[in-house]
Amino acid sequence: GEDVEQSLFLSVREGDSSVINCTYTDSSSTYLYWYKQEPGAGLQLLTYIFSNMDMKQDQRLTVLLNKKDKHLSLRIADTQTGDSAIYFCAESPPTDKLIFGTGTRLQVFP
Amino acid sequence: DTGVSQNPRHKITKRGQNVTFRCDPISEHNRLYWYRQTLGQGPEFLTYFQNEAQLEKSRLLSDRFSAERPKGSFSTLEIQRTEQGDSAMYLCASNRNTEAFFGQGTRLTVV
Repeated sequence: GEDVEQSLFLSVREGDSSVINCTYTDSSSTYLYWYKQEPGAGLQLLTYIFSNMDMKQDQRLTVLLNKKDKHLSLRIADTQTGDSAIYFCAESPPTDKLIFGTGTRLQVFP
Repeated sequence: DTGVSQNPRHKITKRGQNVTFRCDPISEHNRLYWYRQTLGQGPEFLTYFQNEAQLEKSRLLSDRFSAERPKGSFSTLEIQRTEQGDSAMYLCASNRNTEAFFGQGTRLTVV
């Protein structure tokens, strides 16, 4: 089955690290993605990881993939108020569409 | 390249009316997708095109919904006899390889 799960909320202090977690079900997914959505806007692709990798780093973003447990995480270092948004993870099964989680609302306070 | 463009950004319609949305993908992107997003949820897949061919349709796409991509460039999504449950953000995305880029969406409100 296709199901992607995320926790609903995360609140962090400015300057701290944020870790957003995601579990997925389709082990045949080739790529796993993280998107950011600000209020009233479309989705912005942040980063993605190929399924045969276990880590990818891109500036302040670190993606960890545990394929055995079907667990994906996004770590944002030195979180800023501008990082406040909803973060979606998505899996991409061979059918080529994206299956999204329900999103994690990240709130950054001073 | 201006990214994926969707029109209109907002649409308010009365129940029972037909509406049509347009999506202009990034040029040379051969794949185009439509998703629907309701409040508090992630986007849900509706349908996808490779060039002008519609390759997959979700069960969410009732017979009141139809999508076209006649020349393999822009696409339209039409909803006939709109219902209040159709109120949502309709998102379009395009890609060529691994990265899918989304438009700003069309927010539909059915009153």
